[in-house]
Amino acid sequence: GENVEQHPSTLSVQEGDSAVIKCTYSDSASNYFPWYKQELGKRPQLIIDIRSNVGEKKDQRIAVTLNKTAKHFSLHITETQPEDSAVYFCAASSGGTSYGKLTFGQGTILTVHP
Amino acid sequence: ETGVTQSPTHLIKTRGQQVTLRCSSQSGHNTVSWYQQALGQGPQFIFQYYREEENGRGNFPPRFSGLQFPNYSSELNVNALELDDSALYLCASSLEYLSETQYFGPGTRLLVL
Repeated sequence: GENVEQHPSTLSVQEGDSAVIKCTYSDSASNYFPWYKQELGKRPQLIIDIRSNVGEKKDQRIAVTLNKTAKHFSLHITETQPEDSAVYFCAASSGGTSYGKLTFGQGTILTVHP
Repeated sequence: ETGVTQSPTHLIKTRGQQVTLRCSSQSGHNTVSWYQQALGQGPQFIFQYYREEENGRGNFPPRFSGLQFPNYSSELNVNALELDDSALYLCASSLEYLSETQYFGPGTRLLVL
C-alpha cells in the first residue's frame, strides 16, 4: 500500500520568513495530494490540493509543487504569520479502488514566532 | 450549507466495552470516510461508505464496523475496546466517492481506560 513520509517533524520560523514542508510517497499510481492544517483541538482543514496532471498550484501565500518522477511534493508558505502556527499534514490518494482513501504523513508542527 | 458534524465530542469507556460514534455529512455529500488519529500522528483510514455500502477498508480489524443511513449520516462501531483504541476519530465527507476532496468533522475523542 501507499506510504507517505513527511519532513521535518517540527519547523520554527520568524514571522515573515518562508516555510517549506516536504513529503514523499511510494505508490506511483497516486494522483491526488491534499494538504491539511490542524490547529490544536480542531478539525483538519483542507488548505490546498494538487492533482498529478499539474506541477504547481498557488493560492495567495500558499503553494504546492509536485515532482511525479521523484515522487515528492512540497508545501511552501511565504510571509508567514503567527496564525499559520499549527500542525500540517500531507496526504496522497491513488484513485481507482482507493478513491477516498487518504494516506497521511506524520505531520509537521509549524511554529511562527512574532 | 452545513458542515460535517460528529457526536459525541468526548467519550470515556473501559476495556471490553462497545462504542458507537456518529457523523452527519456535509449537505449534499453522499460519501463518508472514517479515520483514526492517535496522539501526535496523522489520521489513518478505517473505511469508507458510499450510498450505504462499504467502499474500501484500511488495515483495521473486524471489530471496527460501520453503517451509512439513507440520509448519508454514518456510524462507527467499535467492539471489545482496547487501550490502543484511545484516539481522535474523524469522519470526512465528500460529494461523490469519485470526488477526492474530503471535508473533516471536528472528531470524537475516545479514551479507553
